[in-house]
Amino acid sequence: DAGITQSPRHKVTETGTPVTLRCHQTENHRYMYWYRQDPGHGLRLIHYSYGVKDTDKGEVSDGYSVSRSKTEDFLLTLESATSSQTSVYFCAISTGIDEQFFGPGTRLTVL
Amino acid sequence: LAKTTQPISMDSYEGQEVNITCSHNNIATNDYITWYQQFPSQGPRFIIQGYKTKVTNEVASLFIPADRKSSTLSLPRVSLSDTAVYYCLVALNDYKLSFGAGTTVTVRA
Repeated sequence: DAGITQSPRHKVTETGTPVTLRCHQTENHRYMYWYRQDPGHGLRLIHYSYGVKDTDKGEVSDGYSVSRSKTEDFLLTLESATSSQTSVYFCAISTGIDEQFFGPGTRLTVL
Repeated sequence: LAKTTQPISMDSYEGQEVNITCSHNNIATNDYITWYQQFPSQGPRFIIQGYKTKVTNEVASLFIPADRKSSTLSLPRVSLSDTAVYYCLVALNDYKLSFGAGTTVTVRA
C-alpha cells in the first residue's frame, strides 16, 4: 500500500472551533488531494495541491483552507467548524493523471 | 468533468460474473475511463483504467464500445469479499477526479 497516513483518525469537536487534519505521504508524489465523503454523495473534492505551496479549490471548498509547505504534508483546516462539516475526510496522492492512492480516512464529528 | 450514470445497487451470488455499466454520454476525446472500488471504512482503491476497446487485469475487465458513451466493468466469479461500492469516473487528461454515488455491489453466498 502507498505510504499515506492521516491524523487524527477520529475527532469530535464543537461548532466554532478550528480543526486541522494532516495528511502525510512517504511516496514523494507531486499531487495531493482532500475529499469528503457523506452518505449518498460518493467523494467530493475539497482542495488539491500540485506542488509545494501550489494549491487550488475543488468542488466543495467553502469553509476549508489548505496548506502544503513540504512535499510530504498536506494540511486541511476548518477555520470555524460547523455541523455540516461532519464527515469522513480522505486524503489521496498521485503522480499525475494516473491512479490516486487514498489514505485511511479521518472521521470528524462537529457537535 | 463528464458526468457519469451508473446503477445504485446490484446483487449477485458467489461465483457469478458481475457487469456494471456506466453511461458517460458527454465523454470528450481525451477522457479516460477509470473505476475504483471502496470497502466500508476504507478509502477507494483503483481497479482499472481504459480509453477504448477492452482492458483486462488480474482483477477485472473493462469493455468500452467504439462510441465510448458507456463502459462496462466486469468482475469474474465474484466472492463475498467483492462486496463493495464501485465508482466509474471520467477525467479529461486531468488529475482531478469527481466521484458520483457509485454502485453498491452485494455478493451473497
